[in-house]
Amino acid sequence: DAGVIQSPRHEVTEMGQEVTLRCKPISGHDYLFWYRQTMMRGLELLIYFNNNVPIDDSGMPEDRFSAKMPNASFSTLKIQPSEPRDSAVYFCASSFFGSPLHFGNGTRLTVT
Amino acid sequence: AQSVTQPDIHITVSEGASLELRCNYSYGATPYLFWYVQSPGQGLQLLLKYFSGDTLVQGIKGFEAEFKRSQSSFNLRKPSVHWSDAAEYFCAVAKNNDMRFGAGTRLTVKP
Repeated sequence: DAGVIQSPRHEVTEMGQEVTLRCKPISGHDYLFWYRQTMMRGLELLIYFNNNVPIDDSGMPEDRFSAKMPNASFSTLKIQPSEPRDSAVYFCASSFFGSPLHFGNGTRLTVT
Repeated sequence: AQSVTQPDIHITVSEGASLELRCNYSYGATPYLFWYVQSPGQGLQLLLKYFSGDTLVQGIKGFEAEFKRSQSSFNLRKPSVHWSDAAEYFCAVAKNNDMRFGAGTRLTVKP
């Protein structure tokens, strides 16, 4: 299995622009998670899905952030408009119930 | 409230020395416990996990961790550190798919 695939690996954008991060979970996994990692706050759960349905989005920082999972093999995290404080590494992870998470390699986002 | 604490932000050890990374949790019931490692430029990799049973858990890369219920701890250990172990280590706890991470401990290995 190729593992969890995230794209792009790096994204540099200007403040105010829309940013879309993509994730392909491991086939057969029914949970998908989006995390954000910063030096100040460590690893934070943003949102997670079960069977493509958002279950808990209480970690999403504000309305500028949105996440979708149109099907079992694809999810997006969108930031519109982006701000410099959104600069972080964003991780996607997938699992099936009761199993450990499998993480992607992350997307490093820099907003200037 | 559920929480995970890794008291040490940064640890430096010499190559060949032993290592212990601390993790304490606050949870209503015994959760599932994990240690993940993040090498520079890499994603998170699972080192080991504890669900139940033997409280001493063996993982990959020579790591082990011991679950101590009385101390609400799940410390990670390695008898002899290698330079390639330099990375960020995250402790995590999970219950009913609510997973929380510690802030991480950065390990530096001196030659």
